[in-house]
Formats: sequence, C-alpha cells, structure tokens
Amino acid sequence: QVQLVESGGGVVQPGRPLRLSCAASGFTFSSYGMHWVRQAPGKGLEWVAVISYEGSAKHYADSVKGRFTISRDNSKNTLYLQMNSLRAEDTAVYYCAKEANPRISAALDYWGQGTLVTVSS
Amino acid sequence: DIQMTQSPSSVSASLGDRVTITCRASQGISSSLVWYQKEPGKAPKLLIFAASTLQSGVPLRFSGSGSGTDFTLTISSLQPEDSATYYCQQANSFPWTFGQGTKVEIK
Repeated sequence: QVQLVESGGGVVQPGRPLRLSCAASGFTFSSYGMHWVRQAPGKGLEWVAVISYEGSAKHYADSVKGRFTISRDNSKNTLYLQMNSLRAEDTAVYYCAKEANPRISAALDYWGQGTLVTVSS
Repeated sequence: DIQMTQSPSSVSASLGDRVTITCRASQGISSSLVWYQKEPGKAPKLLIFAASTLQSGVPLRFSGSGSGTDFTLTISSLQPEDSATYYCQQANSFPWTFGQGTKVEIK
C-alpha cells in the first residue's frame, strides 16, 4: 500500500535552515509529481510547493519562494524540502502528498502523517 | 494568484441532515476543483476531484458540483464520522490555493 513518511521536523531558531524528507513506498515514485502542504497551528491548509515526476518543473507558494527548495531523489524514493531563512510564521505541520494522476496535476490522493516544524528562539 | 472563498466557515447540523458547503474562486477555474476532509491530528483525505468525481472509497452521500467560479460540496445525510473540516482547493494553476475551511459539527 502507498506510504509516505515525513521526517526532519523539530524546533529551529529563526533564520536557521532545516531539511524535511519524505520517504515513499507502495507506488512507482518516479512516475508522480509530489507536493508539500502545511498547516499552521489553528489555521487552514496552505499549499507550499510541487515538483514534477522527473524533477524538472517546480512551483512554489509566494510565501516561501526564494527561501524553500523542493527536490527529489527517484533512486531513493525520497522527496525533500530545504527550508532556509526560517521565520516564526513557517511554524506548521508539513505534509508531503502524492498526485493522484501521473499525467496531470489535479488532486492529492495520499498524504503522509506530517512532521511538525517549530520556528522559535 | 487565485483566491478561494468558502462559506459558511462553520455549520452545525443534526444526524441525517443535508449539508451544503460553497466555494467560490476569484477567477474561472473550469472544473479544476478538489474537496478534502481534514480531521484534527490526521492527514487530509481526498473526497472529490474535477469538481464532481468521487474518489474511490468515499461514501456516496458526498457529492460535488459546479464549474467556472462557483462550486458546492453536499453531504446528503450527515453521519457522525463526517464531523471534520472541509477544504476546497483549486488545481487550475500554480500556486494551488485552498479555501479557508468549513468546520462541520454534529448537533
């Protein structure tokens, strides 16, 4: 069955970097676009970034553009989110999610359980 | 960026009631609209994609409709396990954007 397991969250000081990982299994990882979505405490869902199946196309939310970088290693079935210049407002549970269709970006059908990132001094 | 506006922000209904949630896009998005269910401490669950296509395994009491800028999610007969927050999301263009969520409570 499809499994997505995030790791790398924790407490980090403002301005410091952090890298999240998402280990995928149960499907052909290299065939699907992958996303990061976050939810700040008490807030709604916020889309963060997407990477195409082969890694050539990437898009970001305005709130993280220039600070976050999404990447993937298809040989390791792993998705990454490099977060630099972290701010208090980046505090959230970060989810990785798989696109439902290998051909078009239309919906996210499997999600990990999330990893909490807390930005605080 | 496309803004998504949901209403109401919360609804309280009785078991068996029909519940309707609306979602409006700031510009036309064709049928590129997705609905998710989110329970506290759990990952979001895909309910409906392409505005009206039910995801496999989702109960038939859930349905979606609309195109262009106005969309609805309907729960035809509210069940205890439907207590959750529901989000719409546009998949027409990046950056994808979510509505602010609608919390559904059981009276």
